[in-house]
Amino acid sequence: GQSLEQPSEVTAVEGAIVQINCTYQTSGFYGLSWYQQHDGGAPTFLSYNALDGLEETGRFSSFLSRSDSYGYLLLQELQMKDSASYFCAVGSSGSARQLTFGSGTQLTVLP
Amino acid sequence: DSGVTQTPKHLITATGQRVTLRCSPRSGDLSVYWYQQSLDQGLQFLIQYYNGEERAKGNILERFSAQQFPDLHSELNLSSLELGDSALYFCASSSAGQGGYGYTFGSGTRLTVV
Repeated sequence: GQSLEQPSEVTAVEGAIVQINCTYQTSGFYGLSWYQQHDGGAPTFLSYNALDGLEETGRFSSFLSRSDSYGYLLLQELQMKDSASYFCAVGSSGSARQLTFGSGTQLTVLP
Repeated sequence: DSGVTQTPKHLITATGQRVTLRCSPRSGDLSVYWYQQSLDQGLQFLIQYYNGEERAKGNILERFSAQQFPDLHSELNLSSLELGDSALYFCASSSAGQGGYGYTFGSGTRLTVV
């Protein structure tokens, strides 16, 4: 099976940097993905790491260490609109490509 | 607009009833995934179809079933509904990009069972 752990809540102020950690246990690893979901909205894809290292996309970066079964999402220059839930997810083995999601981290950005 | 279309957006129905949720994937995507999200919960994988065939099953109840049609749209059927089935139901589609793990989600169907 697969399981993921991430903090349930994180709070930061506008303009700050925040890191959301994710540890996972999986039989067969096929990459770590991150999704953002605003209240009641559709989850939107942020990033995908298949290999170790840092991937940067604008203000968001995602890091993966396969040897530590660990990854994080780094959000810089926080804006109020970044207040949302952030989910890490691991991919399945085989051709199905289904994702198992963590329980999500609620990020609150304060003015 | 993500390109994945789900209908209806909201559904209120009574216990014991049956409903059908519909999803049209993004143009060109062959995979459709169904997820359930209960209040303040994560996304629970239900079932996946690829080009008309069932590819993977998650924690889907026997009261639930799905299919994908030749035009690639998919339907999720929920029967003998219970109060606990109240949730947001999302479908997502994916292409080969991002290893196939870069899903595009629809806006969801909010099901309320009363």
